[in-house]
Amino acid sequence: DAGVIQSPRHEVTEMGQEVTLRCKPISGHDYLFWYRQTMMRGLELLIYFNNNVPIDDSGMPEDRFSAKMPNASFSTLKIQPSEPRDSAVYFCASSLDPRRGAGGGDEQFFGPGTRLTVL
Amino acid sequence: RKEVEQDPGPFNVPEGATVAFNCTYSNSASQSFFWYRQDCRKEPKLLMSVYSSGNEDGRFTAQLNRASQYISLLIRDSKLSDSATYLCVVTNYGGATNKLIFGTGTLLAVQP
Repeated sequence: DAGVIQSPRHEVTEMGQEVTLRCKPISGHDYLFWYRQTMMRGLELLIYFNNNVPIDDSGMPEDRFSAKMPNASFSTLKIQPSEPRDSAVYFCASSLDPRRGAGGGDEQFFGPGTRLTVL
Repeated sequence: RKEVEQDPGPFNVPEGATVAFNCTYSNSASQSFFWYRQDCRKEPKLLMSVYSSGNEDGRFTAQLNRASQYISLLIRDSKLSDSATYLCVVTNYGGATNKLIFGTGTLLAVQP
């Protein structure tokens, strides 16, 4: 398996522009997570999906952020308009259902991340 | 107070040393505990789960103290390749949410 795939790997944009980050989870995984990592705040969960349905978006910082999962193999995180404080590494992760029990789905598999710089 | 707290380090240790990291969590309802490892400019990867009885994987030993709400990771005979950031992670699958809560990580630098 190729693992979780994210694109682009690097994105440099100007303030006010729309940014779209993409993720392909591991085939067969029920859960998909979007995280943001900064030096100051560490790794923060933004939103997660179960079977393509958003379950908890309480980590989404504001209305400028939106995420979709139109099917089991694709998700997007969009920032519109982007601001310099959005600069961070954005990770996508996927997992099986952790309630399957020990070893059944505890592990989240992370993609390589998208390094976003907003000028 | 953060839900998961770790000493950010850095811990600078010589090769062959034994080093221990601790982590505390605030939610007494937390059910599952993990250590993830993150290399510089890479994604986090699961290092090991942490069980109440304690568990060992080669040079790595993880312990959980539910009464005091802390988790530890012990690395024996440190290798240069152990240099990374170690993230403490807790979760509560029994609640309405399924999210992992990450600490900000402890940086380990093993020196030759």
